[in-house]
Amino acid sequence: DTGVSQDPRHKITKRGQNVTFRCDPISEHNRLYWYRQTLGQGPEFLTYFQNEAQLEKSRLLSDRFSAERPKGSFSTLEIQRTEQGDSAMYLCASSPRTGPTDTQYFGPGTRLTVL
Amino acid sequence: AQSVAQPEDQVNVAEGNPLTVKCTYSVSGNPYLFWYVQYPNRGLQFLLKYITGDNLVKGSYGFEAEFNKSQTSFHLKKPSALVSDSALYFCAVREGRGSTLGRLYFGRGTQLTVWP
Repeated sequence: DTGVSQDPRHKITKRGQNVTFRCDPISEHNRLYWYRQTLGQGPEFLTYFQNEAQLEKSRLLSDRFSAERPKGSFSTLEIQRTEQGDSAMYLCASSPRTGPTDTQYFGPGTRLTVL
Repeated sequence: AQSVAQPEDQVNVAEGNPLTVKCTYSVSGNPYLFWYVQYPNRGLQFLLKYITGDNLVKGSYGFEAEFNKSQTSFHLKKPSALVSDSALYFCAVREGRGSTLGRLYFGRGTQLTVWP
């Protein structure tokens, strides 16, 4: 089963450190999304790529956050100078380019804990 | 602005009984509606979606959902609950035709517990 994969699954870091997460979408899926989920909440949208182009960014994506998808395949999400408020589950999803009706398929997530 | 409300944080049902998990939405234009399920320490699994057409949508694991435009609702249902259905359920909405935006708006989730 070649679903969406994310690495690492868990990350513990100290406040002020930088962290980077990787997402590998389902093969041939053009669209890739990042969401953040905190305890007791539904996922909140962060950003969205179509191929290598970043088409949409949420206001949640502060200057400390950056996402890339350099070759239109895997994506990375980097958080600089982490804060305790960044502790959350970071979810990646991908979908084929069929329009607004396409289904987003989610990976297992990366759980970030900032001490 | 788009939003989703799941009015119940928890739903408890006995195995074998029917279950309903409620969802209401607010969206400009035609809504595209989705249900996902999340098991502990896992990502979200897609259950079903409503795009257009028949108001009753059938999905995975025996789940179905009923779209009601006048009540702006998209309730998830299952005729006979299983203990293994116990999980966190999320309703989500997306802008409809004409939009190039990709984001889904999620509710806060409803914890379903099915007891034996």
